[in-house]
Amino acid sequence: GESVGLHLPTLSVQEGDNSIINCAYSNSASDYFIWYKQESGKGPQFIIDIRSNMDKRQGQRVTVLLNKTVKHLSLQIAATQPGDSAVYFCAENPSGGYNKLIFGAGTRLAVHP
Amino acid sequence: EPEVTQTPSHQVTQMGQEVILRCVPISNHLYFYWYRQILGQKVEFLVSFYNNEISEKSEIFDDQFSVERPDGSNFTLKIRSTKLEDSAMYFCASSVTTGNTIYFGEGSWLTVV
Repeated sequence: GESVGLHLPTLSVQEGDNSIINCAYSNSASDYFIWYKQESGKGPQFIIDIRSNMDKRQGQRVTVLLNKTVKHLSLQIAATQPGDSAVYFCAENPSGGYNKLIFGAGTRLAVHP
Repeated sequence: EPEVTQTPSHQVTQMGQEVILRCVPISNHLYFYWYRQILGQKVEFLVSFYNNEISEKSEIFDDQFSVERPDGSNFTLKIRSTKLEDSAMYFCASSVTTGNTIYFGEGSWLTVV
């Protein structure tokens, strides 16, 4: 969901469980989507991307799902680990732009042992 | 693994002073970007740069801001007369081309007092 100021939505999971982080994007013309992980005080770290001609893409322990009908993106993390604790941002790249990424509000993932 | 490097990691400056933030993009990348993140908020696009000129900029990137590639490796962001509201983390990023993965640096934290 949307966040205001410091109040990010938080997803709390137990270590070893699967996590699903959701994102609604805004521009139906966007053709490229990326998930970034941001740890405190650090820059966004690329996790996985997907183009609009696909609806699913898998990486190592992560899967991104794209539903263009409802403009929804999700990130699934399998067997969540304490090192996965961070803020996760989805970003969309409107087609024809010079990588003018539009970032979502972010979701904080807290992994508990 | 190649990475985007930024200096300084943290700078404190007085209101009205000029600031230059420096970046070394990944060496084979052709597109360069500056984004910023005000504390607790979304990452926001500032400007993209290709072939020694600005290719796109946001409404945030007003006349106080400028970018330059002074040599073959550095990419700089200059804020001519800083305001309190310029306090933010500034991220440099680069990509091989548009529509490809954008890699971010660790950021330069600017505090204007």
